[in-house]
Amino acid sequence: DVQMTQSPSSLSASVGDRVTITCRASRDIDIFLNWYQQKPGKAPKVLIYRASSLETGVPSRFSGGGSGTDFFLTITNLQPEDVATYYCQQYDSLPNTFGPGTNVEI
Amino acid sequence: QVQVMESGGGVVQSGGSLRLSCTVPRINFSNHGMTWVRQAPGKGLEWVGVISYDGNNRYYADSVRGRFTISKDNSKNTVYLQMNSLRREDTALYYCARLSVPGMRGYLDNWGQGTPVTVSS
Repeated sequence: DVQMTQSPSSLSASVGDRVTITCRASRDIDIFLNWYQQKPGKAPKVLIYRASSLETGVPSRFSGGGSGTDFFLTITNLQPEDVATYYCQQYDSLPNTFGPGTNVEI
Repeated sequence: QVQVMESGGGVVQSGGSLRLSCTVPRINFSNHGMTWVRQAPGKGLEWVGVISYDGNNRYYADSVRGRFTISKDNSKNTVYLQMNSLRREDTALYYCARLSVPGMRGYLDNWGQGTPVTVSS
């Protein structure tokens, strides 16, 4: 199975900041990487798919990139409503494993 | 946004069985794979298993293989998660999510609100 790691595990930033979360796969997964946001008490929702494609309706302050084993999710101009846990997920091979999550606080 | 609705969660004794159901509006169901994801209290997301759009292909996480079975009834636009030989570590909120593709590899574009399962000793 492909193992996913994320860093940092948590971060605290100020409104308007730019924050970056990284995700690493245990082997090459090309660009088959998704990012999800889970707000407290809510179901996850997809932000980015195929490493860098923004899901319809997601604010443009979210962006993603990377390929192979190293990926990132960047939030520019952090907003209060971005408080959430962010998960990466690989879908290069089954099982489609998730990373452990990064908790973002304001 | 597609409405995904899970049901069937509850409290069950260790070693028992439970069947979860997940319904999606018909127009948004038959051409999509479906995935189950769970989240133990205070923990992260754990991928459980997936079924292809036609129900002919399935894959499970090692932690549930041999105990859980996913099935899909396109005539009822419903996917099921049959859980047998339940263990305390299966206690979690179980989410059903629609895949963006007919197959089993894509992104999860619509999620339900989850149905809770508690396994007691």
